[in-house]
Amino acid sequence: GQQLNQSPQSMFIQEGEDVSMNCTSSSIFNTWLWYKQDPGEGPVLLIALYKAGELTSNGRLTAQFGITRKDSFLNISASIPSDVGIYFCAGPKNNNAGNMLTFGGGTRLMVKP
Amino acid sequence: DTGVSQDPRHKITKRGQNVTFRCDPISEHNRLYWYRQTLGQGPEFLTYFQNEAQLEKSRLLSDRFSAERPKGSFSTLEIQRTEQGDSAMYLCASRDTDTQYFGPGTRLTVL
Repeated sequence: GQQLNQSPQSMFIQEGEDVSMNCTSSSIFNTWLWYKQDPGEGPVLLIALYKAGELTSNGRLTAQFGITRKDSFLNISASIPSDVGIYFCAGPKNNNAGNMLTFGGGTRLMVKP
Repeated sequence: DTGVSQDPRHKITKRGQNVTFRCDPISEHNRLYWYRQTLGQGPEFLTYFQNEAQLEKSRLLSDRFSAERPKGSFSTLEIQRTEQGDSAMYLCASRDTDTQYFGPGTRLTVL
């Protein structure tokens, strides 16, 4: 089945540093989504990507949809303590009309003040 | 608050008991999804409704699990004869044209 592989699994960085994480798949995705999840809460959508090669920003966050449609990356610039959480990439299972999502295993970000 | 809401937020139960969770989607969202998330993993799809019709069920949804959305608004997820392996966060999401919005989840602990 479809799997999304995220790396790194965890990162421990200093406040103010830039962060980069990525997501790869053996299958093509037509949509890439990046979510952030805080402890005890549901995932919150950060950025949605709909077109190969697309580069989209949301404040300090930037994400790109890979040209091959098999990968995506998320960058966070000038990290702050509230960036702490787990970041998930996701895409529609088998690019289906029902839009059920497949999630990666997540990248856990820890920020040292 | 007009987001997706779930109730209860936490549930502790003994093995063998039945539990039921409720999800209230964002109003006018006709698609509603249930996911399960175990510790250290991403959410996994369980089932999906369009209005009141349950259109797809994952193989993760064993016979002990049943979901309903009787009037096409709120949904319930029931787990019968709970097992320790059912311990997880159960997430509900609703969708407008492009985006799935998740609720805060119900954390189930089966003792």
